[in-house]
Amino acid sequence: GENVEQHPSTLSVQEGDSAVIKCTYSDSASNYFPWYKQELGKRPQLIIDIRSNVGEKKDQRIAVTLNKTAKHFSLHITETQPEDSAVYFCAARDSGGGADGLTFGKGTHLIIQP
Amino acid sequence: DTGVSQDPRHKITKRGQNVTFRCDPISEHNRLYWYRQTLGQGPEFLTYFQNEAQLEKSRLLSDRFSAERPKGSFSTLEIQRTEQGDSAMYLCASSFNQGSSEQYFGPGTRLTVT
Repeated sequence: GENVEQHPSTLSVQEGDSAVIKCTYSDSASNYFPWYKQELGKRPQLIIDIRSNVGEKKDQRIAVTLNKTAKHFSLHITETQPEDSAVYFCAARDSGGGADGLTFGKGTHLIIQP
Repeated sequence: DTGVSQDPRHKITKRGQNVTFRCDPISEHNRLYWYRQTLGQGPEFLTYFQNEAQLEKSRLLSDRFSAERPKGSFSTLEIQRTEQGDSAMYLCASSFNQGSSEQYFGPGTRLTVT
């Protein structure tokens, strides 16, 4: 089955700086890679996703890059703000093979220092 | 509220008791997923339904766990003979009937087994 590794487990950055979170996956058949943000005591919420037919996707201050050959993908947050503080999870899924559940990484606790 | 809802939000039970949780997905979503999340970890996939058919079950879903979605709308997850290791947040998610559709999560049911 799929295995997703996520690093770092904790990331502290100064407000206004950029943050990068990296994930690797093991199943070359995986073709859908979402990122979720989870604030304390709340449900995970999708912030951005990427499909395997593209290498990069941007949405305002957030971007995701995908390297299928190396089987890794990264989340980039620019101009970080206090409200970006949360736990971020990457995930992977093989959308065509009948195995539809997401496999999540263990999460990165992002701390934005004022 | 048009989002995914779950009931109850919290459940405390004694070891050996049976518990049942309910999930109401977003009404037009065909797919419904159950995940389990323990402290400091990402959600772990348990099972998913497409309409009323249960299409995939994780190895995490022991024979004490059973899930149903009898009319293709709400779903229930039952845990029989609960163990302390079952203590976790149980999350439900739903999506459209497409492999790479966004999964929308509910607020979760926090189970504590004493």
